[in-house]
Amino acid sequence: DVKVTQSSRYLVKRTGEKVFLECVQDMDHENMFWYRQDPGLGLRLIYFSYDVKMKEKGDIPEGYSVSREKKERFSLILESASTNQTSMYLCASRLAGGGTGELFFGEGSRLTVL
Amino acid sequence: AQKITQTQPGMFVQEKEAVTLDCTYDTSDQSYGLFWYKQPSSGEMIFLIYQGSYDEQNATEGRYSLNFQKARKSANLVISASQLGDSAMYFCAMAGYGWTGRRALTFGSGTRLQVQP
Repeated sequence: DVKVTQSSRYLVKRTGEKVFLECVQDMDHENMFWYRQDPGLGLRLIYFSYDVKMKEKGDIPEGYSVSREKKERFSLILESASTNQTSMYLCASRLAGGGTGELFFGEGSRLTVL
Repeated sequence: AQKITQTQPGMFVQEKEAVTLDCTYDTSDQSYGLFWYKQPSSGEMIFLIYQGSYDEQNATEGRYSLNFQKARKSANLVISASQLGDSAMYFCAMAGYGWTGRRALTFGSGTRLQVQP
Protein backbone atom coordinates (compact mmCIF):
# COMPACT_ATOMS: atom_id res chain seq x y z
CA ASP A 1 0.00 0.00 0.00
CA VAL A 2 1.35 3.41 -0.95
CA LYS A 3 2.36 5.63 1.90
CA VAL A 4 3.25 9.26 2.45
CA THR A 5 4.14 9.96 6.05
CA GLN A 6 4.38 13.38 7.64
CA SER A 7 6.38 13.50 10.82
CA SER A 8 3.96 15.48 12.98
CA ARG A 9 0.17 15.76 12.88
CA TYR A 10 0.07 18.73 15.23
CA LEU A 11 2.72 21.30 16.11
CA VAL A 12 2.64 24.44 18.22
CA LYS A 13 5.54 26.84 17.78
CA ARG A 14 6.47 30.35 18.86
CA THR A 15 6.95 33.29 16.54
CA GLY A 16 10.53 33.39 15.30
CA GLU A 17 11.23 29.70 15.82
CA LYS A 18 12.71 27.59 13.05
CA VAL A 19 10.27 24.84 12.08
CA PHE A 20 10.95 21.63 10.17
CA LEU A 21 8.15 19.63 8.58
CA GLU A 22 9.29 16.26 7.34
CA CYS A 23 7.71 14.07 4.69
CA VAL A 24 8.71 10.58 3.62
CA GLN A 25 7.25 8.45 0.83
CA ASP A 26 7.85 4.77 0.18
CA MET A 27 6.69 4.62 -3.43
CA ASP A 28 9.94 5.62 -5.18
CA HIS A 29 8.17 8.67 -6.61
CA GLU A 30 10.28 11.29 -8.33
CA ASN A 31 8.00 14.26 -7.67
CA MET A 32 7.20 15.62 -4.24
CA PHE A 33 5.15 18.64 -3.20
CA TRP A 34 4.31 20.86 -0.26
CA TYR A 35 0.92 22.58 -0.13
CA ARG A 36 -0.76 24.63 2.53
CA GLN A 37 -4.50 24.49 3.03
CA ASP A 38 -6.52 27.37 4.40
CA PRO A 39 -10.32 27.71 4.62
CA GLY A 40 -11.77 29.30 1.51
CA LEU A 41 -8.45 29.21 -0.31
CA GLY A 42 -8.12 25.53 -1.05
CA LEU A 43 -4.65 24.07 -1.44
CA ARG A 44 -1.87 26.38 -2.51
CA LEU A 45 1.50 25.14 -3.73
CA ILE A 46 4.50 26.23 -1.70
CA TYR A 47 7.35 24.27 -3.32
CA PHE A 48 7.78 21.19 -5.38
CA SER A 49 10.65 18.94 -6.34
CA TYR A 50 10.93 17.05 -9.60
CA ASP A 51 13.78 14.90 -8.34
CA VAL A 52 16.53 14.69 -5.75
CA LYS A 53 18.20 18.05 -5.08
CA MET A 54 15.81 19.77 -7.50
CA LYS A 55 13.25 22.27 -6.31
CA GLU A 56 10.98 24.86 -7.79
CA LYS A 57 8.98 27.62 -6.18
CA GLY A 58 5.24 27.31 -6.19
CA ASP A 59 2.67 30.04 -5.80
CA ILE A 60 3.46 31.07 -2.21
CA PRO A 61 7.15 30.33 -1.44
CA GLU A 62 7.82 33.43 0.68
CA GLY A 63 8.92 32.53 4.18
CA TYR A 64 9.59 28.89 3.29
CA SER A 65 12.47 26.80 2.01
CA VAL A 66 12.77 23.11 1.19
CA SER A 67 15.34 20.36 1.12
CA ARG A 68 15.43 17.13 -0.86
CA GLU A 69 18.67 15.28 -0.27
CA LYS A 70 17.17 11.82 -0.72
CA LYS A 71 14.49 10.67 -3.11
CA GLU A 72 12.11 9.54 -0.41
CA ARG A 73 12.32 12.61 1.82
CA PHE A 74 11.14 16.20 1.26
CA SER A 75 11.44 18.70 4.08
CA LEU A 76 9.70 22.05 4.45
CA ILE A 77 11.49 24.65 6.54
CA LEU A 78 10.08 27.78 8.09
CA GLU A 79 13.20 29.81 8.87
CA SER A 80 11.41 32.16 11.26
CA ALA A 81 7.83 31.17 11.92
CA SER A 82 5.18 33.87 11.88
CA THR A 83 1.54 33.79 12.95
CA ASN A 84 0.36 34.02 9.34
CA GLN A 85 1.98 30.66 8.73
CA THR A 86 -0.54 28.98 11.02
CA SER A 87 -2.11 26.49 8.65
CA MET A 88 -2.52 22.87 7.57
CA TYR A 89 0.47 21.65 5.57
CA LEU A 90 0.06 18.78 3.15
CA CYS A 91 2.86 16.80 1.57
CA ALA A 92 2.26 14.78 -1.60
CA SER A 93 4.18 12.66 -4.05
CA ARG A 94 3.70 11.50 -7.62
CA LEU A 95 5.26 9.33 -10.29
CA ALA A 96 7.05 11.50 -12.83
CA GLY A 97 5.54 9.77 -15.87
CA GLY A 98 2.84 7.30 -16.74
CA GLY A 99 -0.49 6.77 -15.09
CA THR A 100 -2.86 9.60 -14.34
CA GLY A 101 -0.42 11.78 -12.46
CA GLU A 102 -2.54 11.73 -9.33
CA LEU A 103 -0.96 12.96 -6.14
CA PHE A 104 -0.68 10.76 -3.08
CA PHE A 105 -1.06 12.80 0.08
CA GLY A 106 0.13 12.49 3.63
CA GLU A 107 -2.25 13.02 6.54
CA GLY A 108 -1.25 16.65 6.97
CA SER A 109 0.54 18.64 9.65
CA ARG A 110 -1.47 21.27 11.47
CA LEU A 111 0.87 24.03 12.56
CA THR A 112 -0.07 26.72 15.04
CA VAL A 113 2.31 29.65 15.49
CA LEU A 114 1.74 31.67 18.66
CA ALA B 1 -0.72 29.75 -15.64
CA GLN B 2 -3.37 27.36 -14.47
CA LYS B 3 -6.51 28.33 -12.62
CA ILE B 4 -9.37 26.33 -11.12
CA THR B 5 -12.65 27.92 -10.06
CA GLN B 6 -15.20 26.26 -7.82
CA THR B 7 -18.11 28.64 -7.32
CA GLN B 8 -20.10 26.62 -4.79
CA PRO B 9 -18.65 26.99 -1.28
CA GLY B 10 -21.30 24.67 0.14
CA MET B 11 -24.05 22.38 -1.07
CA PHE B 12 -26.76 20.24 0.45
CA VAL B 13 -28.22 17.10 -1.09
CA GLN B 14 -30.73 14.54 0.10
CA GLU B 15 -29.55 11.00 0.58
CA LYS B 16 -29.97 8.85 -2.57
CA GLU B 17 -30.21 11.88 -4.86
CA ALA B 18 -27.62 12.89 -7.45
CA VAL B 19 -25.54 16.03 -7.07
CA THR B 20 -23.28 18.01 -9.40
CA LEU B 21 -20.26 19.92 -8.13
CA ASP B 22 -19.10 22.61 -10.51
CA CYS B 23 -15.55 23.21 -11.68
CA THR B 24 -14.20 25.45 -14.39
CA TYR B 25 -10.58 25.74 -15.37
CA ASP B 26 -8.24 27.90 -17.35
CA THR B 27 -4.94 26.89 -18.92
CA SER B 28 -2.79 27.62 -21.92
CA ASP B 29 -1.56 24.01 -22.09
CA GLN B 30 -2.87 21.87 -24.93
CA SER B 31 -2.51 18.70 -22.88
CA TYR B 32 -3.67 18.51 -19.30
CA GLY B 33 -5.36 16.36 -16.70
CA LEU B 34 -8.29 17.10 -14.44
CA PHE B 35 -8.72 15.55 -11.01
CA TRP B 36 -11.24 15.43 -8.21
CA TYR B 37 -10.30 14.76 -4.60
CA LYS B 38 -12.46 14.19 -1.54
CA GLN B 39 -11.43 15.36 1.92
CA PRO B 40 -13.56 13.99 4.78
CA SER B 41 -13.50 15.61 8.19
CA SER B 42 -10.60 13.35 9.15
CA GLY B 43 -8.46 15.37 6.76
CA GLU B 44 -7.00 12.82 4.35
CA MET B 45 -7.12 13.62 0.63
CA ILE B 46 -8.76 10.83 -1.35
CA PHE B 47 -8.33 10.71 -5.13
CA LEU B 48 -11.68 10.12 -6.84
CA ILE B 49 -11.44 10.47 -10.58
CA TYR B 50 -9.24 11.63 -13.46
CA GLN B 51 -9.98 13.00 -16.95
CA GLY B 52 -7.35 13.55 -19.60
CA SER B 53 -7.83 16.46 -21.96
CA TYR B 54 -7.69 14.17 -24.99
CA ASP B 55 -10.02 11.52 -23.56
CA GLU B 56 -13.11 11.38 -25.71
CA GLN B 57 -15.27 9.68 -23.13
CA ASN B 58 -16.22 11.16 -19.78
CA ALA B 59 -14.49 9.39 -16.92
CA THR B 60 -16.51 7.26 -14.52
CA GLU B 61 -15.54 5.53 -11.28
CA GLY B 62 -18.41 3.77 -9.57
CA ARG B 63 -20.87 6.43 -8.41
CA TYR B 64 -18.58 9.24 -9.58
CA SER B 65 -18.55 10.62 -13.09
CA LEU B 66 -16.82 13.62 -14.55
CA ASN B 67 -18.85 15.74 -16.96
CA PHE B 68 -16.06 17.08 -19.17
CA GLN B 69 -16.94 19.90 -21.57
CA LYS B 70 -13.70 20.97 -23.16
CA ALA B 71 -15.02 23.94 -25.12
CA ARG B 72 -16.59 25.37 -21.99
CA LYS B 73 -13.53 24.47 -19.89
CA SER B 74 -15.65 22.74 -17.31
CA ALA B 75 -15.09 19.50 -15.43
CA ASN B 76 -18.06 18.98 -13.14
CA LEU B 77 -18.20 16.05 -10.73
CA VAL B 78 -21.45 14.12 -10.61
CA ILE B 79 -22.15 11.89 -7.62
CA SER B 80 -25.08 9.57 -8.15
CA ALA B 81 -27.17 8.12 -5.32
CA SER B 82 -25.59 10.22 -2.56
CA GLN B 83 -24.72 8.51 0.70
CA LEU B 84 -24.18 10.00 4.15
CA GLY B 85 -20.50 9.09 3.83
CA ASP B 86 -20.21 11.44 0.85
CA SER B 87 -20.37 14.42 3.22
CA ALA B 88 -16.95 16.00 2.79
CA MET B 89 -14.99 18.78 1.10
CA TYR B 90 -14.43 18.21 -2.61
CA PHE B 91 -11.55 19.73 -4.57
CA CYS B 92 -11.17 20.06 -8.30
CA ALA B 93 -7.60 20.21 -9.58
CA MET B 94 -5.64 20.26 -12.82
CA ALA B 95 -2.13 19.68 -14.08
CA GLY B 96 -0.89 20.77 -17.47
CA TYR B 97 2.07 19.49 -19.41
CA GLY B 98 5.02 21.85 -19.65
CA TRP B 99 8.53 21.42 -21.05
CA THR B 100 9.66 19.76 -17.84
CA GLY B 101 6.78 17.32 -17.88
CA ARG B 102 3.63 17.35 -15.82
CA ARG B 103 3.15 20.50 -13.80
CA ALA B 104 2.18 20.53 -10.16
CA LEU B 105 -1.53 20.28 -9.50
CA THR B 106 -3.44 23.51 -9.10
CA PHE B 107 -6.46 23.21 -6.81
CA GLY B 108 -9.72 25.08 -6.52
CA SER B 109 -11.08 26.48 -3.28
CA GLY B 110 -13.32 23.48 -2.69
CA THR B 111 -17.01 22.72 -2.21
CA ARG B 112 -18.32 21.39 1.07
CA LEU B 113 -21.04 18.84 0.43
CA GLN B 114 -23.47 17.82 3.14
CA VAL B 115 -25.73 14.84 2.56
CA GLN B 116 -28.94 14.93 4.54
CA PRO B 117 -30.89 11.82 5.59
